Amino acid sequence: AQKITQTQPGMFVQEKEAVTLDCTYDTSDPSYGLFWYKQPSSGEMIFLIYQGSYDQQNATEGRYSLNFQKARKSANLVISASQLGDSAMYFCAMREGDNYGQNFVFGPGTRLSVLP
Amino acid sequence: DAGVIQSPRHEVTEMGQEVTLRCKPISGHNSLFWYRQTMMRGLELLIYFNNNVPIDDSGMPEDRFSAKMPNASFSTLKIQPSEPRDSAVYFCASSFEGAGYNEQFFGPGTRLTVL
Repeated sequence: AQKITQTQPGMFVQEKEAVTLDCTYDTSDPSYGLFWYKQPSSGEMIFLIYQGSYDQQNATEGRYSLNFQKARKSANLVISASQLGDSAMYFCAMREGDNYGQNFVFGPGTRLSVLP
Repeated sequence: DAGVIQSPRHEVTEMGQEVTLRCKPISGHNSLFWYRQTMMRGLELLIYFNNNVPIDDSGMPEDRFSAKMPNASFSTLKIQPSEPRDSAVYFCASSFEGAGYNEQFFGPGTRLTVL
């Protein structure tokens, strides 16, 4: 079974608009962490934002926020005021449990294209 | 800090040849990860070291793949013999495993092409 599901292979958004990238996860472990990474066309992986399973508030980092709905097991990334430089692949990832590093799995990614 | 350093950035080799990919993690990090990225399979974790010790190598595809971490500042991923299906981008990442969320910092990747 897929641990991380990203149902949107590709998304388009108009510059300056907000966009939501979906991520659902599957785990029975009460302790886990959720990550979002950005991979531009140049290929590097850039960490964006983190949400811990016990965090009470949704994580925010600048224009990035994470819409964490624990009961639904979803951790959607919201990018506000999209910029052309936001065009990239976006990966949702999860680390399960307290065994640092183990069970770190990435989703298939969503390609975001920001239109001028 | 220079970040995670990988070399070479690009490697083109012929089937059957040995390939060695190198990684220098961020100083002070105690965990190191090797990933492979392909269009078909996405990002796959190959092996994970903690304090230079291999903890989980269940993602290593077969015996042709081996990884070492002789010290805290250097790791290698070796493919011998290489095959065309090994063509991919190989990422090394490091993190400090401790209190906090243990974000992984990725290197720029090595693009491997096996002809």
